[in-house]
Amino acid sequence: AQSVTQLGSHVSVSEGALVLLRCNYSSSVPPYLFWYVQYPNQGLQLLLKYTTGATLVKGINGFEAEFKKSETSFHLTKPSAHMSDAAEYFCAVSRSYNTDKLIFGTGTRLQVFP
Amino acid sequence: SQTIHQWPATLVQPVGSPLSLECTVEGTSNPNLYWYRQAAGRGLQLLFYSVGIGQISSEVPQNLSASRPQDRQFILSSKKLLLSDSGFYLCAHRRGAGEKLFFGSGTQLSVL
Repeated sequence: AQSVTQLGSHVSVSEGALVLLRCNYSSSVPPYLFWYVQYPNQGLQLLLKYTTGATLVKGINGFEAEFKKSETSFHLTKPSAHMSDAAEYFCAVSRSYNTDKLIFGTGTRLQVFP
Repeated sequence: SQTIHQWPATLVQPVGSPLSLECTVEGTSNPNLYWYRQAAGRGLQLLFYSVGIGQISSEVPQNLSASRPQDRQFILSSKKLLLSDSGFYLCAHRRGAGEKLFFGSGTQLSVL
């Protein structure tokens, strides 16, 4: 069975500071990993995904994540936070590229202070 | 382009009342359709998915049901709502070949 753990339901950073949102997964098969973002009053959007190949994945809005198999982690980072990054972020795992099922973490709410 | 419509955006219902949430997709045919629920502190939970008309798979036992009467229509229903049905419900679709999910704008359901 697969599962996702997001450490920290709330993360607060100052504008310009590093953003680090943690995600650890459990999977019995090579996982496909995703980060989704939900801005206030909007639907979910895909930030980035890891399927195969390069373990450092770049997404939209300056975010990136690194797949570390030895640590079963897929942490999301951004070098410099912007006020517009305030949102809820979800890590997700699936078993295959075409799977019908995404298993989501519980989400991390990011606050950015001026 | 593909769009997904979900309504209503907010809903307040008394315990024991029926529920019907509707989701329609445009710009694609034979999509895979999904209902997710986001309950406080529990993340997004897959409730139902459908790979075709009349084909519904349930992921968790619950007080809800789903139907797909048309190719691009997915309905979430309940005969009698419970307090625990409160939450944020998201409809989503996938084109088929890729894994990217497109989400609707969601329905905030409060059962009182």
